[in-house]
Amino acid sequence: EVQLVQSGAEVKKPGESLKISCKGSGYSFTSYWIGWVRQLPGKGLEWMGIIYPGDSHTRYRPSFQGQVTISVDKSISTAFLQWSSLRASDTAIYYCARQNGESLDYWGQGTLVTVSS
Amino acid sequence: DIQMTQSPSSLSASVGDRVTITCRASQSINIYLNWYQQKPGKAPKLLIFAASSLQSGVPSRFSGSGSGTDFTLTLSSLQPEDFATYYCQQSYSTPYTFGQGTNLEIK
Repeated sequence: EVQLVQSGAEVKKPGESLKISCKGSGYSFTSYWIGWVRQLPGKGLEWMGIIYPGDSHTRYRPSFQGQVTISVDKSISTAFLQWSSLRASDTAIYYCARQNGESLDYWGQGTLVTVSS
Repeated sequence: DIQMTQSPSSLSASVGDRVTITCRASQSINIYLNWYQQKPGKAPKLLIFAASSLQSGVPSRFSGSGSGTDFTLTLSSLQPEDFATYYCQQSYSTPYTFGQGTNLEIK
């Protein structure tokens, strides 16, 4: 069974760093892109970027380039999304999802990130 | 970036109704169009990929059509579990943008 399991909810202060994770199982992790999607409170879905675990090739949405880092550790079948300095505007739910062909067919359960002083 | 525009933004319907949601791309995306369903507090779920291909396990009352810039998602006979928010997404070129969503509510 394909599963993507994300790390738990986080509460951080502005300026702090954070790294959240997404562990894949039940399939060949290095053969499928992993995407990250943001959902601001009460809002729609925003595609942030994708990474290919096989070679760590990454593509970012321009508005997220330099604001977050997407990475992967294929030895533990895990993708990561990290911030070096969080802002209140980063408060959102973050989803990872497997890209199969041209669609996101399996999704993680989401990680709620709350940034507040 | 390719802009995706859904209409309507919200829709009220009754169980048994036939419902159509449209999605328009700002440029041609061939058939690189996906549809997702999201229920409150849950992750999105893939319904349709490549404009008209039904994802495994999705009921056949869901169907998609279109190519180029104009696409539709049709629910042939609404069931209680279909009341949710629906998103289209283009996967023609990165960034793979989503539409703003269509909130389907019970009338």
